[in-house]
Amino acid sequence: GEQVEQRPPHLSVREGDSAVITCTYTDPNSYYFFWYKQEPGASLQLLMKVFSSTEINEGQGFTVLLNKKDKRLSLNLTAAHPGDSAAYFCAVSVESSSFSKLVFGQGTSLSVVP
Amino acid sequence: EAAVTQSPRSKVAVTGGKVTLSCHQTNNHDYMYWYRQDTGHGLRLIHYSYVADSTEKGDIPDGYKASRPSQENFSLILELASLSQTAVYFCASTHSAEQFFGPGTRLTVL
Repeated sequence: GEQVEQRPPHLSVREGDSAVITCTYTDPNSYYFFWYKQEPGASLQLLMKVFSSTEINEGQGFTVLLNKKDKRLSLNLTAAHPGDSAAYFCAVSVESSSFSKLVFGQGTSLSVVP
Repeated sequence: EAAVTQSPRSKVAVTGGKVTLSCHQTNNHDYMYWYRQDTGHGLRLIHYSYVADSTEKGDIPDGYKASRPSQENFSLILELASLSQTAVYFCASTHSAEQFFGPGTRLTVL
């Protein structure tokens, strides 16, 4: 089945620097891709949903890139600030004939130092 | 107003005891899911359901049962709780591919 590898597991950057998190997946038929942010003790907050037909998506302070050829998904926080400190998870949607299943990456713990 | 709620929000259980975690959604979604999250890891699918009175096994169903008595409610049951089931449990509902998560239940088994 689908496998998702997320790197790095931990990332520390200074305020104003960029932070890049990358996921690779195995199923070429994966169609939907998600980035979630999880603050300590909280639930998962959807940052962005990406369809396989779209390669670049820009949010508020971040960019998501999808490389279908390499089966790679990345999240780039362009100018990180302390409020970005959290765990980030990618998830890939594997749709079968009966249901939609999300396969998650292992997560990245991001720390933004003032 | 939260569309996916879970109860309890935290629970301490004894080894061998029975634990029931509840989830309620007001999204009117057909699909509901139970995941567990271990410290420093992503979410793994335990059980899911696409219609009332029917449940399906996910990737890690051993030691868990699920119940879907109505479209709105989905329960996760640990008949004999074990230390290895200490984790945070998330419920989710979905309309299409996007899943909406509840706040989580922190379960500690002693």
